[in-house]
Amino acid sequence: GAVVSQHPSWVICKSGTSVKIECRSLDFQATTMFWYRQFPKQSLMLMATSNEGSKATYEQGVEKDKFLINHASLTLSTLTVTSAHPEDSSFYICSAPPGQGVRQETQYFGPGTRLLVL
Amino acid sequence: GNSVTQMEGPVTLSEEAFLTINCTYTATGYPSLFWYVQYPGEGLQLLLKATKADDKGSNKGFEATYRKETTSFHLEKGSVQVSDSAVYFCALSGVDSSYKLIFGSGTRLLVRP
Repeated sequence: GAVVSQHPSWVICKSGTSVKIECRSLDFQATTMFWYRQFPKQSLMLMATSNEGSKATYEQGVEKDKFLINHASLTLSTLTVTSAHPEDSSFYICSAPPGQGVRQETQYFGPGTRLLVL
Repeated sequence: GNSVTQMEGPVTLSEEAFLTINCTYTATGYPSLFWYVQYPGEGLQLLLKATKADDKGSNKGFEATYRKETTSFHLEKGSVQVSDSAVYFCALSGVDSSYKLIFGSGTRLLVRP
């Protein structure tokens, strides 16, 4: 099946710094990618929909200026957590549906990035 | 609002035991229902899905039936293996004409030899 990678898999940073997480579709093109956040023992919560060549669509309650999303190519989306604070510590997961222009219910998920802000 | 509720884990079973992981949902409209599985160190993978009432999704010995009357999509397997140890997520999509997924909290399954 299709493969989605994330980098880094694990990052520790100091409070106030910014952290960039990459999500890549390795063997298919993805015009849309999704970014999720997962707290321990809780659901995956959709943060935003990343659209290649246009602005991301954020879910209600997600700070656009805090979580910057860039989808500059058909195989790469990045999530930058700006001025990170301890409450931003979480597990961040991306996914991508293959194909474009149609309703795609099958999504391929990356392995996730664990962020710890000290 | 739209939501998915799963039984809390961890669920610990012996090899060859029968598995049931309960999942119920609340949704407007007619969602599609999914079970995703996450093996240690890997991304979520689609295990099975059902797109309309009374559909049964099946894969790798796992089954789940879309029950509209009880708003449920319970996951079952007749005989689990150690390799089935993973976290299982129930999810729905399609409630707002999009393919955004709404997930349950996940249930960790541990199968002992």
